[in-house]
Amino acid sequence: NAGVTQTPKFRVLKTGQSMTLLCAQDMNHEYMYWYRQDPGMGLRLIHYSVGEGTTAKGEVPDGYNVSRLKKQNFLLGLESAAPSQTSVYFCASSTGLATTYEQYFGPGTRLTVT
Amino acid sequence: GQSLEQPSEVTAVEGAIVQINCTYQTSGFYGLSWYQQHDGGAPTFLSYNALDGLEETGRFSSFLSRSDSYGYLLLQELQMKDSASYFCAPGRDDKIIFGKGTRLHILP
Repeated sequence: NAGVTQTPKFRVLKTGQSMTLLCAQDMNHEYMYWYRQDPGMGLRLIHYSVGEGTTAKGEVPDGYNVSRLKKQNFLLGLESAAPSQTSVYFCASSTGLATTYEQYFGPGTRLTVT
Repeated sequence: GQSLEQPSEVTAVEGAIVQINCTYQTSGFYGLSWYQQHDGGAPTFLSYNALDGLEETGRFSSFLSRSDSYGYLLLQELQMKDSASYFCAPGRDDKIIFGKGTRLHILP
């Protein structure tokens, strides 16, 4: 039981390049989330999904796209990277039950855009 | 609108008790979660309060007052490993909102 895994762990991009971050969970969770964390800013929700085939915008969705083709995977895409997207990206998953808001986080992806 | 306030930093002595307060204004509020994050690590879930009152989990307790839109995290018998950032996170709809977090410094 690996929990939530993220690929890659580190990446350096040049401005204008594209990339996809992969999040995978083996807990059969319905809900998955992508956050970014910048120094002193806490975690900000980019996009989320409440089930396979669904996606929704979070607080800071501009410049990102997502897909949830399989229940266990949630992909975050950057079409044209910008220096402002330098950040640590965390993926999380949860059961989606309102009785608990416990989210399980992956280890993070550290992205630098030069 | 939405607002979330918690102190940016708190300092306490090893073995002591510390309380981290959180006030929120969240439409569609469901409950209040707390997360811990060590430097370089991922956030980890600590507790969740859906109802008013105190929830206790070992050395950690969390309190919620829905009428006051207020909660706190209480850490007892502080250990050096408790040095971390702590986030209060009100839940609404299908997601939770993270604050900027409180950095807890522990002195030996």
